[in-house]
Amino acid sequence: QVTLRESGPALVKPTQTLTLTCTFSGFSLSTSGMCVSWIRQPPGKALEWLARIDWDDDKYYSTSLKTRLTISKDTSKNQVVLTMTNMDPVDTATYYCARTRGGWYAYWGQGTLVTVSS
Amino acid sequence: AIRITQSPSSLSASTGDRVTITCRASQGISSYLAWYQQKPGKAPKLLIYAASTLQSGVPSRFSGSGSGTDFTLTISCLQSEDFATYYCQQYYSYPWTFGQGTKVEIK
Repeated sequence: QVTLRESGPALVKPTQTLTLTCTFSGFSLSTSGMCVSWIRQPPGKALEWLARIDWDDDKYYSTSLKTRLTISKDTSKNQVVLTMTNMDPVDTATYYCARTRGGWYAYWGQGTLVTVSS
Repeated sequence: AIRITQSPSSLSASTGDRVTITCRASQGISSYLAWYQQKPGKAPKLLIYAASTLQSGVPSRFSGSGSGTDFTLTISCLQSEDFATYYCQQYYSYPWTFGQGTKVEIK
């Protein structure tokens, strides 16, 4: 059974760095073709794709956010970490991690709401 | 980045209606398109991938079609549990992108 769970702070201040952790089970990120992404959704708005890390450590980022994002993995802990620097109130959103093998996301975490406010 | 234009942004329909939602890509994406359903407070649920392949467990009233730049999600006979927001996603080239969503509401 594949599960993913996001964790991290619910509240961050403007200019701070956000660190989110995706802890997963039911698959290994060392398996060929396996990938994990981060996707966010501001309240009442659409989904926004942020980043992806692959089994071979290849990484891909949103064009508009790439200077602020870093994605990494710890295969032994079954975790993927996303850091986002210089947080702003417009970054307030629910952040999801999700698994893909072919480009579509069949498995998602429940999401974690991050509010950016002083 | 490839831009996905989804339409309509919302629609009102009745149970039993046939509903069609469209996504148009700013450039050709072959069949690298997925469709999701999202209910309030929940993560998106995969409905269709590769433009027309039904995800396991998804009712057959959902279908997808299209290739290149124009794609369609059809719900053949709307059920009460289908009232939700629907998103398309392209995975042809990075960065992957989502449409803006279509909210299906009860008429």
